[in-house]
Amino acid sequence: EVRLVESGGGLVQPGGSLRLSCAASGFTFSSYAMTWVRQAPGKGLEWVSNIISGGGTTFYADSVKGRFTISRDNSKNTLYLQMNSLRAEDTAVYYCAKDLYYYESSVDHWGQGTLVTVSS
Amino acid sequence: NFILTQPHSVSESPGKTVTISCTRSSGSIASNYVHWYQQRPGSVPTTVIFEDDQRPSGVPDRFSGSIDRSSNSASLTISGLKTEDEADYYCQSYDRSNQGVFGGGTKLTVL
Repeated sequence: EVRLVESGGGLVQPGGSLRLSCAASGFTFSSYAMTWVRQAPGKGLEWVSNIISGGGTTFYADSVKGRFTISRDNSKNTLYLQMNSLRAEDTAVYYCAKDLYYYESSVDHWGQGTLVTVSS
Repeated sequence: NFILTQPHSVSESPGKTVTISCTRSSGSIASNYVHWYQQRPGSVPTTVIFEDDQRPSGVPDRFSGSIDRSSNSASLTISGLKTEDEADYYCQSYDRSNQGVFGGGTKLTVL
């Protein structure tokens, strides 16, 4: 059974940093691309970032480019999202998601999400 | 970048059929696959259609997807509506720079 468990969310002040982690199990982590998707309170889904299976290629939404960094440690079956220069508009539930293939594709499994609140 | 536009809400009666559209603002809808996700209230999203018209295992065949080049849109059709289908539905695709794009979401009410 595929399991994705996010951690690292919490309350942070504007301008601060946070690192999200996603522990994956139940599949060969190194064979699949992974995606972060966020959802602000009461709003729709927003694609944030994607990393291909080997970790060498990453993609970002314009809204987070230059501030967020996606990475993965295939030896630890863990996905990360380093978030710097956080803004109030980054407040959201962040979902870790497994892609269908080794490259960008449909999400086929979602984590439960971790809440990030940016506020003073 | 392009925008995917969905109706804000749709409603239909149990047993009926409903179609949710997802219109691409620029570029061909056929350029990149469209995927559809269902998010029931208080729950995590799940995939109901991937690659325009493919249904994941476990998703009932009441759910179907298609694209229409003439209207530059994708559609999610749910037949034999059940109250459990009441949810928010999102379409999603990728642009040429490999950025993901979600539609704004459609709230389906089954009344």
